[in-house]
Amino acid sequence: AQSVTQLDSQVPVFEEAPVELRCNYSSSVSVYLFWYVQYPNQGLQLLLKYLSGSTLVKGINGFEAEFNKSQTSFHLRKPSVHISDTAEYFCAVTSGGGGNKLTFGTGTQLKVEL
Amino acid sequence: EAGVTQFPSHSVIEKGQTVTLRCDPISGHDNLYWYRRVMGKEIKFLLHFVKESKQDESGMPNNRFLAERTGGTYSTLKVQPAELEDSGVYFCASSLNQGLGNTEAFFGQGTRLTVV
Repeated sequence: AQSVTQLDSQVPVFEEAPVELRCNYSSSVSVYLFWYVQYPNQGLQLLLKYLSGSTLVKGINGFEAEFNKSQTSFHLRKPSVHISDTAEYFCAVTSGGGGNKLTFGTGTQLKVEL
Repeated sequence: EAGVTQFPSHSVIEKGQTVTLRCDPISGHDNLYWYRRVMGKEIKFLLHFVKESKQDESGMPNNRFLAERTGGTYSTLKVQPAELEDSGVYFCASSLNQGLGNTEAFFGQGTRLTVV
């Protein structure tokens, strides 16, 4: 069984400041990791994913995440946020088996303020 | 190209009534998934279709929930009879195949179901 923990339910940050959204996972097998974003009144959109290779993954809209196997973490970062980044962010994992069904965290609401 | 489409976007029904949610996946996507998010909690897997076959329905809460995907195209999720705890946002997702190189699941906007 797998689980995902997003420790911060809400993260307020000022525009142009850096941000880190934390994600930790637990699994008895190797996992593949994802970050999804949900903008208001929209569906979930894939930000980035880690399948293998380089542990630093770059995604859309200037976001990046680093896979740390020893700490079982996959934190999402952006060096300078914009108002338009205000959204809810979900970390998810899959073992790749079982049809690639995703196990999600509870989400982190990022609120960017002027 | 159209994305994953879900109908309706919102539904408010009384306890005991029946509701049917519909999902139209991206054309050509064999894999179709249903997920649900109860307010404030994580998004949870409900079931997975490969074409018209149920591959995994381990997340279905109980037998009040019935999912179908006749012909391997669109899917419906029926809740009968609805209970208060069924309220939440129901997401549908589709993906091209199960290979890791195509793991991206494309999500719909969700159907917000409120049972009163």
